[in-house]
Amino acid sequence: AQSVTQLDSQVPVFEEAPVELRCNYSSSVSVYLFWYVQYPNQGLQLLLKYLSGSTLVESINGFEAEFNKSQTSFHLRKPSVHISDTAEYFCAVARHSGAGSYQLTFGKGTKLSVIP
Amino acid sequence: DTAVSQTPKYLVTQMGNDKSIKCEQNLGHDTMYWYKQDSKKFLKIMFSYNNKELIINETVPNRFSPKSPDKAHLNLHINSLELGDSAVYFCASSQEGTQYFGPGTRLTVT
Repeated sequence: AQSVTQLDSQVPVFEEAPVELRCNYSSSVSVYLFWYVQYPNQGLQLLLKYLSGSTLVESINGFEAEFNKSQTSFHLRKPSVHISDTAEYFCAVARHSGAGSYQLTFGKGTKLSVIP
Repeated sequence: DTAVSQTPKYLVTQMGNDKSIKCEQNLGHDTMYWYKQDSKKFLKIMFSYNNKELIINETVPNRFSPKSPDKAHLNLHINSLELGDSAVYFCASSQEGTQYFGPGTRLTVT
C-alpha cells in the first residue's frame, strides 16, 4: 500500500516571496513521484516528476522539487511566486500495477494563494 | 491538438438515469485511466486499461462500467445514477509511468 501526505491544506504567500509545499509519502516498493497543478475549474496539469536519476527536478515555470529517499519526501519549492501560481497543487506517487499500468495515489492537495 | 479529451465537459442529470462519459487520447499511449475527484478535491483511481484490457478495478460500485473499444478510447458508463455520484471525473493516459489528464467532466446528479 502507498500513501501521500500533504502537510498543509492551504498556503497563503505574498507575491514574489518564496514558497515550499510539503509532501511526504510511504510505500513498500519503489515509486515514481509527481506534482500536478489544478487551476480553478480546470484539469490536472503535470508540473514535474521524479522517475530516476538526479534527485532535483525542475519545471519550466520555476518550480523545483527534491526527492529525499531517507525522509520519504518530495517537497515543491519556488523562490519567487507570481499571482498566476494561485492554484491547487497535488503530490502523487505511482507504483507499477502490471501490464504497463501505474496506480497513482494522490495527496489531499495544497491550495496556494498568492497575495498581491 | 488536445492530447486527452473528454466529452461532455458538464453533465447534469436526475437520479436513476444512465449516462456515459467519453474519453479519447491522441498520444499513442497504451494505458488509460478513470479517476474521480470528490467535492473536497480528493482524487481516487477507479479503473485502468492497457491496450483494451482491464488492469485496475478499484472498489467501485458495479453501476460503473468502463469500456475500451480501442486503445485510444476509454468510456465510462454509469447506470442508475445516485446523488453521491456527483463529482468531477478525469480520464488520463500514460506511457512509462507518467500520466496525462483530460480536462474533466463535472457530473451533477439532482
